[in-house]
Amino acid sequence: ELKVEQNPLFLSMQEGKNYTIYCNYSTTSDRLYWYRQDPGKSLESLFVLLSNGAVKQEGRLMASLDTKARLSTLHITAAVHDLSATYFCAVEKGGGADGLTFGKGTHLIIQP
Amino acid sequence: NAGVTQTPKFQVLKTGQSMTLQCAQDMNHEYMSWYRQDPGMGLRLIHYSVGAGITDQGEVPNGYNVSRSTTEDFPLRLLSAAPSQTSVYFCASSLSAWGLNTGELFFGEGSRLTVL
Repeated sequence: ELKVEQNPLFLSMQEGKNYTIYCNYSTTSDRLYWYRQDPGKSLESLFVLLSNGAVKQEGRLMASLDTKARLSTLHITAAVHDLSATYFCAVEKGGGADGLTFGKGTHLIIQP
Repeated sequence: NAGVTQTPKFQVLKTGQSMTLQCAQDMNHEYMSWYRQDPGMGLRLIHYSVGAGITDQGEVPNGYNVSRSTTEDFPLRLLSAAPSQTSVYFCASSLSAWGLNTGELFFGEGSRLTVL
């Protein structure tokens, strides 16, 4: 059974600081996704990581994937308040038809 | 281009009642799925479909039925609502579940269901 663990589950940080969210998963997979969710809203796709060593960057967010370690990271550089949200990682099982297995999410609060 | 549209956005049911959550997408996506989101649990897959006429169970299918008569629509039916089904339900679609496509999911706005 595929398990996806995120840590931390809750993070409060100050603007301007750097931090990393970790996503570990239990079985082999080459595809990992990061989503953002604002309170009461839907999920928005942030990054799609399709192979070992993949690195994607968008603004102050950078995601990477190490399939051998079964680990993905979401790094936040010089955080700003607008990045406050819940971030989910999700791993694709098998050929993809079984859907994604999500982590429990990291609730990120960035204080001025 | 509306993307993934879910109705209703809010619903209150009494235990034992039945209802259908509607989901429609206009992106010609083959793959559609339903997730439920509960506090501290992330999202869990209920049912999915890889194309019209084909459906399968996900991680938490009990108490729910689905059908896929067209590419566009994927309704989720609660047969006899229970308080444990109080949740936020998300419909999501993808161009294809296999092959070169990324499998990236596009989510609807969610349907918040309360069962009393």
